[in-house]
Amino acid sequence: DSGVTQTPKHLITATGQRVTLRCSPRSGDLSVYWYQQSLDQGLQFLIQYYNGEERAKGNILERFSAQQFPDLHSELNLSSLELGDSALYFCASSFRALSTGELFFGEGSRLTVL
Amino acid sequence: GIQVEQSPPDLILQEGANSTLRCNFSDSVNNLQWFHQNPWGQLINLFYIPSGTKQNGRLSATTVATERYSLLYISSSQTTDSGVYFCAAGVSKLSFGAGTTVTVRA
Repeated sequence: DSGVTQTPKHLITATGQRVTLRCSPRSGDLSVYWYQQSLDQGLQFLIQYYNGEERAKGNILERFSAQQFPDLHSELNLSSLELGDSALYFCASSFRALSTGELFFGEGSRLTVL
Repeated sequence: GIQVEQSPPDLILQEGANSTLRCNFSDSVNNLQWFHQNPWGQLINLFYIPSGTKQNGRLSATTVATERYSLLYISSSQTTDSGVYFCAAGVSKLSFGAGTTVTVRA
Protein backbone atom coordinates (compact mmCIF):
# COMPACT_ATOMS: atom_id res chain seq x y z
CA ASP A 1 0.00 0.00 0.00
CA SER A 2 1.58 3.25 -1.20
CA GLY A 3 -0.58 5.45 1.01
CA VAL A 4 -2.05 7.27 -2.00
CA THR A 5 -5.79 6.76 -2.30
CA GLN A 6 -7.73 7.12 -5.52
CA THR A 7 -11.45 6.90 -6.10
CA PRO A 8 -13.32 5.54 -7.92
CA LYS A 9 -11.32 2.47 -8.98
CA HIS A 10 -13.51 1.87 -12.00
CA LEU A 11 -15.81 4.17 -13.90
CA ILE A 12 -17.91 3.54 -16.98
CA THR A 13 -19.60 6.45 -18.67
CA ALA A 14 -20.82 7.68 -22.04
CA THR A 15 -19.34 10.07 -24.57
CA GLY A 16 -20.06 13.71 -23.82
CA GLN A 17 -20.29 13.16 -20.09
CA ARG A 18 -18.19 14.63 -17.28
CA VAL A 19 -16.45 12.75 -14.48
CA THR A 20 -14.38 13.65 -11.45
CA LEU A 21 -11.51 11.55 -10.17
CA ARG A 22 -10.30 12.03 -6.63
CA CYS A 23 -6.90 11.56 -5.05
CA SER A 24 -5.70 11.74 -1.46
CA PRO A 25 -1.91 11.96 -1.19
CA ARG A 26 0.27 10.23 1.38
CA SER A 27 0.27 11.87 4.77
CA GLY A 28 2.76 14.74 4.73
CA ASP A 29 3.14 14.88 0.94
CA LEU A 30 2.53 18.31 -0.55
CA SER A 31 2.79 17.53 -4.27
CA VAL A 32 0.21 15.72 -6.33
CA TYR A 33 0.76 14.55 -9.88
CA TRP A 34 -1.73 13.19 -12.40
CA TYR A 35 -0.74 10.72 -15.11
CA GLN A 36 -2.73 9.08 -17.87
CA GLN A 37 -1.90 5.59 -19.11
CA SER A 38 -3.40 4.53 -22.41
CA LEU A 39 -2.41 1.67 -24.70
CA ASP A 40 -1.16 3.88 -27.50
CA GLN A 41 0.39 6.75 -25.50
CA GLY A 42 1.93 4.99 -22.53
CA LEU A 43 2.24 6.88 -19.25
CA GLN A 44 1.81 10.59 -19.87
CA PHE A 45 2.23 13.36 -17.32
CA LEU A 46 -0.83 15.60 -17.11
CA ILE A 47 -0.38 18.11 -14.33
CA GLN A 48 1.27 18.76 -10.96
CA TYR A 49 0.08 20.69 -7.92
CA TYR A 50 2.16 21.71 -4.95
CA ASN A 51 0.50 22.89 -1.78
CA GLY A 52 -2.58 24.05 -3.64
CA GLU A 53 -0.88 25.74 -6.58
CA GLU A 54 -0.38 24.47 -10.10
CA ARG A 55 3.33 23.80 -10.55
CA ALA A 56 3.78 22.05 -13.89
CA LYS A 57 1.63 21.17 -16.85
CA GLY A 58 2.10 18.36 -19.32
CA ASN A 59 -0.06 16.92 -22.07
CA ILE A 60 -3.34 17.87 -20.48
CA LEU A 61 -6.27 18.56 -22.79
CA GLU A 62 -8.32 21.74 -22.42
CA ARG A 63 -11.34 19.54 -21.62
CA PHE A 64 -9.49 18.36 -18.51
CA SER A 65 -8.86 20.40 -15.39
CA ALA A 66 -7.56 19.75 -11.92
CA GLN A 67 -7.23 21.39 -8.56
CA GLN A 68 -5.70 20.74 -5.17
CA PHE A 69 -7.69 21.68 -2.11
CA PRO A 70 -6.50 23.09 1.25
CA ASP A 71 -6.54 19.60 2.77
CA LEU A 72 -4.18 18.63 -0.10
CA HIS A 73 -6.49 16.17 -1.81
CA SER A 74 -6.80 16.68 -5.53
CA GLU A 75 -9.49 16.22 -8.14
CA LEU A 76 -9.13 15.69 -11.87
CA ASN A 77 -12.17 16.75 -13.87
CA LEU A 78 -12.68 15.28 -17.34
CA SER A 79 -15.44 16.77 -19.46
CA SER A 80 -16.98 16.26 -22.91
CA LEU A 81 -15.58 12.76 -22.77
CA GLU A 82 -14.52 11.00 -25.94
CA LEU A 83 -13.84 7.33 -26.63
CA GLY A 84 -10.12 8.08 -26.69
CA ASP A 85 -10.21 9.28 -23.09
CA SER A 86 -10.61 5.71 -21.94
CA ALA A 87 -7.49 5.05 -19.90
CA LEU A 88 -6.04 4.36 -16.50
CA TYR A 89 -5.58 7.61 -14.59
CA PHE A 90 -2.96 7.61 -11.88
CA CYS A 91 -2.37 10.02 -9.09
CA ALA A 92 1.02 10.21 -7.42
CA SER A 93 2.33 12.19 -4.50
CA SER A 94 5.67 13.34 -3.17
CA PHE A 95 6.87 15.62 -0.44
CA ARG A 96 8.86 17.95 -2.61
CA ALA A 97 7.96 20.23 -5.51
CA LEU A 98 10.80 21.32 -7.74
CA SER A 99 12.99 18.28 -7.53
CA THR A 100 10.09 15.86 -7.52
CA GLY A 101 11.44 13.51 -4.90
CA GLU A 102 10.34 9.91 -4.81
CA LEU A 103 6.88 9.49 -6.31
CA PHE A 104 4.35 7.08 -4.87
CA PHE A 105 1.42 6.07 -7.05
CA GLY A 106 -2.13 5.23 -6.19
CA GLU A 107 -3.86 2.19 -7.66
CA GLY A 108 -5.40 4.23 -10.44
CA SER A 109 -8.88 4.96 -11.70
CA ARG A 110 -9.85 2.98 -14.77
CA LEU A 111 -12.13 5.06 -16.99
CA THR A 112 -14.11 3.46 -19.78
CA VAL A 113 -15.99 5.75 -22.15
CA LEU A 114 -18.65 4.01 -24.24
CA GLY B 1 11.14 17.33 -22.17
CA ILE B 2 13.40 14.48 -21.19
CA GLN B 3 13.25 11.42 -23.43
CA VAL B 4 13.46 8.03 -21.74
CA GLU B 5 14.22 4.90 -23.73
CA GLN B 6 14.02 1.38 -22.36
CA SER B 7 15.40 -1.83 -23.76
CA PRO B 8 14.58 -4.50 -24.55
CA PRO B 9 10.85 -3.95 -25.13
CA ASP B 10 10.09 -7.58 -24.32
CA LEU B 11 11.92 -10.23 -22.34
CA ILE B 12 11.00 -13.88 -21.87
CA LEU B 13 12.83 -15.70 -19.11
CA GLN B 14 12.90 -19.17 -17.70
CA GLU B 15 12.40 -19.27 -13.97
CA GLY B 16 15.75 -18.93 -12.22
CA ALA B 17 17.39 -16.91 -14.98
CA ASN B 18 19.07 -13.54 -14.54
CA SER B 19 18.40 -10.47 -16.66
CA THR B 20 19.35 -6.84 -17.17
CA LEU B 21 16.99 -4.05 -18.21
CA ARG B 22 18.38 -0.79 -19.50
CA CYS B 23 17.11 2.78 -19.35
CA ASN B 24 18.70 5.66 -21.27
CA PHE B 25 17.69 9.26 -20.68
CA SER B 26 18.35 12.28 -22.84
CA ASP B 27 19.41 14.94 -20.32
CA SER B 28 20.63 15.47 -16.78
CA VAL B 29 18.11 14.42 -14.16
CA ASN B 30 17.90 14.58 -10.40
CA ASN B 31 15.26 11.90 -10.11
CA LEU B 32 15.20 8.39 -11.50
CA GLN B 33 12.86 5.67 -10.40
CA TRP B 34 12.12 2.10 -11.41
CA PHE B 35 8.59 0.75 -11.13
CA HIS B 36 6.96 -2.62 -11.63
CA GLN B 37 3.43 -2.64 -12.99
CA ASN B 38 1.75 -5.85 -11.96
CA PRO B 39 -1.01 -7.60 -13.92
CA TRP B 40 -3.62 -5.69 -11.91
CA GLY B 41 -2.18 -2.38 -13.11
CA GLN B 42 -0.59 -1.27 -9.85
CA LEU B 43 2.65 0.70 -10.10
CA ILE B 44 4.98 -0.57 -7.43
CA ASN B 45 8.06 1.44 -6.45
CA LEU B 46 11.23 -0.59 -6.87
CA PHE B 47 14.03 1.93 -6.60
CA TYR B 48 14.54 5.65 -6.22
CA ILE B 49 18.02 5.89 -7.68
CA PRO B 50 19.17 9.18 -9.25
CA SER B 51 22.74 7.89 -8.91
CA GLY B 52 24.70 5.00 -7.47
CA THR B 53 23.73 1.42 -6.75
CA LYS B 54 21.02 -0.09 -4.59
CA GLN B 55 19.92 -3.63 -3.88
CA ASN B 56 16.65 -5.03 -2.60
CA GLY B 57 16.55 -8.79 -2.40
CA ARG B 58 16.89 -10.29 -5.86
CA LEU B 59 16.65 -6.89 -7.50
CA SER B 60 19.37 -4.31 -7.82
CA ALA B 61 19.79 -1.11 -9.79
CA THR B 62 22.64 1.09 -10.89
CA THR B 63 22.43 4.62 -12.29
CA VAL B 64 25.39 6.28 -13.97
CA ALA B 65 24.11 9.83 -14.12
CA THR B 66 27.11 11.22 -16.01
CA GLU B 67 26.49 8.73 -18.83
CA ARG B 68 22.68 9.05 -18.64
CA TYR B 69 21.69 5.47 -18.13
CA SER B 70 20.34 3.16 -15.48
CA LEU B 71 20.27 -0.63 -15.24
CA LEU B 72 17.87 -2.89 -13.38
CA TYR B 73 19.09 -6.39 -12.56
CA ILE B 74 16.75 -9.26 -11.82
CA SER B 75 18.45 -12.34 -10.43
CA SER B 76 16.99 -15.83 -9.99
CA SER B 77 13.75 -14.69 -11.62
CA GLN B 78 10.40 -15.99 -10.39
CA THR B 79 7.01 -16.09 -12.07
CA THR B 80 5.88 -13.28 -9.76
CA ASP B 81 8.46 -11.02 -11.42
CA SER B 82 6.32 -10.98 -14.57
CA GLY B 83 4.86 -7.64 -15.56
CA VAL B 84 6.00 -4.38 -17.06
CA TYR B 85 9.04 -2.58 -15.69
CA PHE B 86 9.12 1.16 -16.14
CA CYS B 87 11.96 3.58 -15.80
CA ALA B 88 11.03 7.20 -15.12
CA ALA B 89 13.42 10.13 -15.06
CA GLY B 90 13.23 13.88 -14.77
CA VAL B 91 13.80 17.06 -12.82
CA SER B 92 10.51 18.79 -12.03
CA LYS B 93 8.40 15.91 -13.30
CA LEU B 94 8.98 12.29 -14.21
CA SER B 95 8.91 11.17 -17.82
CA PHE B 96 8.29 7.47 -18.32
CA GLY B 97 9.82 5.11 -20.79
CA ALA B 98 7.68 2.72 -22.80
CA GLY B 99 8.51 -0.13 -20.44
CA THR B 100 9.98 -3.60 -20.69
CA THR B 101 7.44 -6.43 -20.57
CA VAL B 102 8.94 -9.34 -18.67
CA THR B 103 7.44 -12.81 -18.83
CA VAL B 104 8.91 -15.44 -16.53
CA ARG B 105 7.98 -19.01 -17.40
CA ALA B 106 7.91 -21.83 -14.88
